[in-house]
Amino acid sequence: RKEVEQDPGPFNVPEGATVAFNCTYSNSASQSFFWYRQDCRKEPKLLMSVYSSGNEDGRFTAQLNRASQYISLLIRDSKLSDSATYLCVVNMRQAGTALIFGKGTTLSVSS
Amino acid sequence: DAGVTQSPTHLIKTRGQQVTLRCSPKSGHDTVSWYQQALGQGPQFIFQYYEEEERQRGNFPDRFSGHQFPNYSSELNVNALLLGDSALYLCASSLAGRGDYNEQFFGPGTRLTVL
Repeated sequence: RKEVEQDPGPFNVPEGATVAFNCTYSNSASQSFFWYRQDCRKEPKLLMSVYSSGNEDGRFTAQLNRASQYISLLIRDSKLSDSATYLCVVNMRQAGTALIFGKGTTLSVSS
Repeated sequence: DAGVTQSPTHLIKTRGQQVTLRCSPKSGHDTVSWYQQALGQGPQFIFQYYEEEERQRGNFPDRFSGHQFPNYSSELNVNALLLGDSALYLCASSLAGRGDYNEQFFGPGTRLTVL
């Protein structure tokens, strides 16, 4: 079983749609959680850290369920500029600060 | 303030050759991590350098080695290249001691093609 698994893509949605990405992680010792965004042929960039209480940043909401080892990302009112690959990322304390990435889910927003 | 820089941008090598990739961290950062991203996959952790020493290592063979210099810049060396080493190599920098939610900043990557 892979350490971080994400919904298979691609997700193709119209502008204004709400889209949700899900992610599960296998190691209960995972300590910190992130969503990174990666545009085509570019480097990953941090979109949001994910905290146990859940957190929101504008149109983006991230949730963490430690009991189920599940992370989600909700994007409301999708924009064309949201088209990218979204990477679910975890870090385990015993692994130092090495980041463990999921395969990524591709989102394509069309007009 | 310059972000993370990497060189070269692209590289083409043949099987069996050796390659050196370079990374300069973001100003003020002291820790450099290297990741390999194959096409259609997420990045995979190779190793991390701090205080000029390899602090952590992922599941990569000894053909992958690195170095960190006193100015915190870093090199990744790959010997005896295989076709499967073709990937985007990403360098990420961070500042040690910032806790579990310490952000890593990625460079634009070096795209290595092995023929």
